[in-house]
Amino acid sequence: DTAVSQTPKYLVTQMGNDKSIKCEQNLGHDTMYWYKQDSKKFLKIMFSYNNKELIINETVPNRFSPKSPDKAHLNLHINSLELGDSAVYFCASSQDLTPRGYTFGSGTRLTVV
Amino acid sequence: DAKTTQPNSMESNEEEPVHLPCNHSTISGTDYIHWYRQLPSQGPEYVIHGLTSNVNNRMASLAIAEDRKSSTLILHRATLRDAAVYYCTTGAGANSKLTFGKGITLSVRP
Repeated sequence: DTAVSQTPKYLVTQMGNDKSIKCEQNLGHDTMYWYKQDSKKFLKIMFSYNNKELIINETVPNRFSPKSPDKAHLNLHINSLELGDSAVYFCASSQDLTPRGYTFGSGTRLTVV
Repeated sequence: DAKTTQPNSMESNEEEPVHLPCNHSTISGTDYIHWYRQLPSQGPEYVIHGLTSNVNNRMASLAIAEDRKSSTLILHRATLRDAAVYYCTTGAGANSKLTFGKGITLSVRP
């Protein structure tokens, strides 16, 4: 029973296409995140949603648009994919009012060709 | 704009203790220190966190310097399954933005 699940696990697509990555958490957490991990292994936060409201929006091209239909889901839509978007994207969730930390999904490896 | 610095890599022998250092000299008074690890082809997983006092859990121990500008993650007996990238980060709580540097790659020799 996966706590934070992402689909798809792998995504290969051509430049210029539009694609979505889905994320769901069954932990009852209030906050969800999208992180991007590049080839050098840096993990950079992209977005954070708390109870369906956007609270963190880092400097990310506006081709990236997160959508949270409810607090258990946070999807990432990417328009006009570019080669530089190739990376591993991680979804995570956390519970308010505790520093317990994040639970991460297993990642989506996006390859743009 | 990394808030923490860690060595790039460390090697250990199986069943020996491992001490992974981290510097966080700009930590603020309310920031917690968090450690995560990332096994190959997996997402990061929480290891331990602390504020001022040393902490122990079933995975590891966290030793925090008195001035809180550095900390050390201690694996008491390294196993081959502990080979991973270990990230140290700081943040004020669950909703604070946790940023992760490159981490330290731990290799464990049989």
